[in-house]
Amino acid sequence: EPEVTQTPSHQVTQMGQEVILRCVPISNHLYFYWYRQILGQKVEFLVSFYNNEISEKSEIFDDQFSVERPDGSNFTLKIRSTKLEDSAMYFCASSGQGAGSGANVLTFGAGSRLTVL
Amino acid sequence: ILNVEQSPQSLHVQEGDSTNFTCSFPSSNFYALHWYRWETAKSPEALFVMTLNGDEKKKGRISATLNTKEGYSYLYIKGSQPEDSATYLCAFFMDTGRRALTFGSGTRLQVQP
Repeated sequence: EPEVTQTPSHQVTQMGQEVILRCVPISNHLYFYWYRQILGQKVEFLVSFYNNEISEKSEIFDDQFSVERPDGSNFTLKIRSTKLEDSAMYFCASSGQGAGSGANVLTFGAGSRLTVL
Repeated sequence: ILNVEQSPQSLHVQEGDSTNFTCSFPSSNFYALHWYRWETAKSPEALFVMTLNGDEKKKGRISATLNTKEGYSYLYIKGSQPEDSATYLCAFFMDTGRRALTFGSGTRLQVQP
């Protein structure tokens, strides 16, 4: 069964460092997402991406965050200068059709745990 | 701010027990309600997407109902098994505004053999 893969599974970084989290979505999916869950809190939407551009982003997704689909298979989330409060589990997801329809399930990766010291 | 609430927060049951939990969401601007099952160290896995008031969906021993007028969905597990132990997340999608899922905090189910 096709799956979304994420790397690394766990990254520890110093505050102020740049971090890139990588995702390989399902190959025929067109819509890509990043969500995150801070320990003990709800899963939160960060950003959605379609046709090589951001289609929607949340208030969390400020100038420190960026996403890219550099080569047609990877989908990356970059945090330019990490803060302590960026420590969370980051989930990538993809769907075959837009979540704009709301009725299409997302296929999630297993997550990348980011720890900022 | 959208409020999606799940209860209970956690649940411990014995193998063979049937159980249910609740997701409540805003009743206005409803478009879809998703249920995901999330085992520790694995990916959240889609169980159901429900769009119509009165919808009932079933997958093996797991079923869900939807009431969009009053803003709630129930997830039922019949004859719980240890492999059902997981966190069950619901997520709400509205038909206006943000085109993204808003998640509840989940119900953590532990089934004792």
